[in-house]
Amino acid sequence: SYELTQPPSVSVSPGQTASITCSGDKLGDKYACWFQQKPGQSPVLVIYQDSKRPSGIPERFSGSNSGNTATLTISGTQAMDEADYYCQAWDSSTSYVFGTGTKVTVL
Amino acid sequence: QITLKESGPTLVKPTQTLTLTCTFSGFSLRISGVGVGWIRQPPGKALEWLALIFWNDDKRYSPSLKSRLTITKDTSKNQVVLTMTNMDPVDTATYYCAHSSPGVGFDYWGQGTLVTVSS
Repeated sequence: SYELTQPPSVSVSPGQTASITCSGDKLGDKYACWFQQKPGQSPVLVIYQDSKRPSGIPERFSGSNSGNTATLTISGTQAMDEADYYCQAWDSSTSYVFGTGTKVTVL
Repeated sequence: QITLKESGPTLVKPTQTLTLTCTFSGFSLRISGVGVGWIRQPPGKALEWLALIFWNDDKRYSPSLKSRLTITKDTSKNQVVLTMTNMDPVDTATYYCAHSSPGVGFDYWGQGTLVTVSS
């Protein structure tokens, strides 16, 4: 079965840039999206189709996807960005798969 | 305004069948490309996609759980129902339903419902 691997944790200082990777076989051939989940809350879509932001998502969130790796970048990280982040990929053969999740800590 | 809400039992016994209902508003499952999916999350663990049903009754299932899952829709009631057979304690999780927009994915989520499997 298809798997997406993320680092368990990422630490970042306020105002700095956080990068979260998501690795999977030929992931660049599929569409990737990213979800933010804060404790006790439902996931929120922050990036879809590799790099598009839904309405209401701050510009500091950006995404890319190439080769075997998709990346979520948070520029100018704020304390409110502290959360768990999950990548997700889909295509006709993969169906829908979530990554292992990354806890972002803003120190 | 799109909203979704999950309902169903909070406690089921091992081997029983779980039936969850997602009641939604603010959109129609008659619209081309629209879907409603189910995703679960065991306590402290990652999200896991379970199933998805589209406006045209096309259904997709997680390969690892396909034999245990059935997803159906009642467009007139604005509901999607997920059944999972042969429940086990490892199926203890928060179960979410979510709206899927064409080309976007799961863009609106319900609040989730915690289901505990225990005798």
